[in-house]
Amino acid sequence: GQQLNQSPQSMFIQEGEDVSMNCTSSSIFNTWLWYKQDPGEGPVLLIALYKAGELTSNGRLTAQFGITRKDSFLNISASIPSDVGIYFCAGSTQGGSEKLVFGKGTKLTVNP
Amino acid sequence: GAVVSQHPSRVICKSGTSVKIECRSLDFQATTMFWYRQFPKKSLMLMATSNEGSKATYEQGVEKDKFLINHASLTLSTLTVTSAHPEDSSFYICSAMDRDQPQHFGDGTRLSIL
Repeated sequence: GQQLNQSPQSMFIQEGEDVSMNCTSSSIFNTWLWYKQDPGEGPVLLIALYKAGELTSNGRLTAQFGITRKDSFLNISASIPSDVGIYFCAGSTQGGSEKLVFGKGTKLTVNP
Repeated sequence: GAVVSQHPSRVICKSGTSVKIECRSLDFQATTMFWYRQFPKKSLMLMATSNEGSKATYEQGVEKDKFLINHASLTLSTLTVTSAHPEDSSFYICSAMDRDQPQHFGDGTRLSIL
């Protein structure tokens, strides 16, 4: 079946540093989504990408839909303590209207 | 916008009890709802997909008689864990979406079976 390889698995950074994480796949996706999950809560949508090459920002977050449609990255600039959590990438082969394939998550720890 | 409410947030009950979890889309109509299970430090595992007014589609290995899903309206889906046992203890999360829109998730239900 389809799989997403998300890396890194975990990151430990200092407050103020920039962060980058990515997802790759052997399959083509038509939609890439990035979610953040805090402990004991459901994932919250951060950014949705629908077009190859698309670069989208949401505050300090920037994500790109790879040209090959087989990868995506998420950058967080000037990290703050509340950025702590688990970040998941997810892909869909349709316009988000079918089930998602999830990466295994990147656990981010920010030291004040 | 796109708020999904899941209730209850936590359930503790005895083995053999059936437990119902509700998932509501508060400010949009959800043509499709999804139910996930998440084990500690793991990613989300899709259990089933449900469309309003039709039977749910279950993923391979998920017992449909064990996990009953009802999607009776465009804003409500329920998951009933029947005759729950300790191995059913987990974090259950629903998501909802309108046509061609991203999935939005509820806050999850922590189910503990004693």
